[in-house]
Amino acid sequence: EADIYQTPRYLVIGTGKKITLECSQTMGHDKMYWYQQDPGMELHLIHYSYGVNSTEKGDLSSESTVSRIRTEHFPLTLESARPSHTSQYLCASSDLTLTYEQYFGPGTRLTVT
Amino acid sequence: KNQVEQSPQSLIILEGKNCTLQCNYTVSPFSNLRWYKQDTGRGPVSLTIMTFSENTKSNGRYTATLDADTKQSSLHITASQLSDSASYICVVSDRGSTLGRLYFGRGTQLTVWP
Repeated sequence: EADIYQTPRYLVIGTGKKITLECSQTMGHDKMYWYQQDPGMELHLIHYSYGVNSTEKGDLSSESTVSRIRTEHFPLTLESARPSHTSQYLCASSDLTLTYEQYFGPGTRLTVT
Repeated sequence: KNQVEQSPQSLIILEGKNCTLQCNYTVSPFSNLRWYKQDTGRGPVSLTIMTFSENTKSNGRYTATLDADTKQSSLHITASQLSDSASYICVVSDRGSTLGRLYFGRGTQLTVWP
């Protein structure tokens, strides 16, 4: 079982609200990632980080932002949630072995009404 | 375009039976191929990782094969159990990327009935 945690697990909020999805890992991994996944679809990378103070946008354009102030913490923020943001958000971290094994958190299921 | 295609999209089998899931990819260059199991409402969990030189790898009742020449992989599950019901995702990593870029398939949804 990977030591990577996400809160909340489920969130239902109204349009226009600001939200922050939390992700933390205790494995000391430098690399962390945020993915978005809709039912029956593949995971899409929306943000990643090489380490503290390093953040980059992924392949899928997202209105969310991320920060990396501490190695173990990689929160994702939506300034003004919209129904189109309804999705599952998965956080992951990876080691530095050749295969870059990624360990995933349990995910946050976000519903914007 | 780098892609990962999985088949079938969904599969129903009876408990105790075997099954094989397929994955075809066009990712190039190639570094490694992974199979993940994702339970409903949970994050993916790694089952196997195979590099270019590996043809087969087992993890308990799960056996993955890789043919790097034809760019095909399969995941064989033996003596299925109810707890095997999940989505099985094939993921391919390209070579030469410091990010370790991953390309995800859409998964095969496996349902095991008693």
